[in-house]
Amino acid sequence: AQSVTQLGSHVSVSEGALVLLRCNYSSSVPPYLFWYVQYPNQGLQLLLKYTTGATLVKGINGFEAEFKKSETSFHLTKPSAHMSDAAEYFCAVSETGGYNKLIFGAGTRLAVHP
Amino acid sequence: NAGVTQTPKFQVLKTGQSMTLQCAQDMNHEYMSWYRQDPGMGLRLIHYSVGAGITDQGEVPNGYNVSRSTTEDFPLRLLSAAPSQTSVYFCASSYSRNSGANVLTFGAGSRLTVL
Repeated sequence: AQSVTQLGSHVSVSEGALVLLRCNYSSSVPPYLFWYVQYPNQGLQLLLKYTTGATLVKGINGFEAEFKKSETSFHLTKPSAHMSDAAEYFCAVSETGGYNKLIFGAGTRLAVHP
Repeated sequence: NAGVTQTPKFQVLKTGQSMTLQCAQDMNHEYMSWYRQDPGMGLRLIHYSVGAGITDQGEVPNGYNVSRSTTEDFPLRLLSAAPSQTSVYFCASSYSRNSGANVLTFGAGSRLTVL
């Protein structure tokens, strides 16, 4: 069965510092991988996704993630944090060839302080 | 505006009461789903539908019923609410049912409290 592990339920960074949110997955087949962001009292919206091809994926708001098959990881990074990045971030996986039955990680709440 | 609309945004129920959470999308999406979000557990899939008249169970289906009579609507029914169903519920849809690569569009959520 697929699963997603996000290391660190809370991450705090200074404005301008590097953001690194960790995600590891388990899947018996090559997966599709997603990062979603949830701002307070809102639904989730897509940051980026990996399906096939280039393993470094760029998303919105300066975020990117790299798919590393050997490490079963899909960590999310942003070189310089902004106050507006404060939100909860979810990593998710779905199987290739299947429906959009996303399996989500527990989430990481990112705080950005001045 | 095109998107996924959920009603109500907030609801308080007593144990044993029933209610329906409504979800409607105007994007002609084939695939629709319901998730619940609980602290420290992320989002868990309750039920999903790959088209009108077709539904199936997700990870945590017990205590919930769904139906899909039209492409646009996918209501979630709680027949006898329990405190364990206190949660935030999200409806999400995507264009095609045939690929796990499709992006889900989420509604704004419905916060349910069962006393």
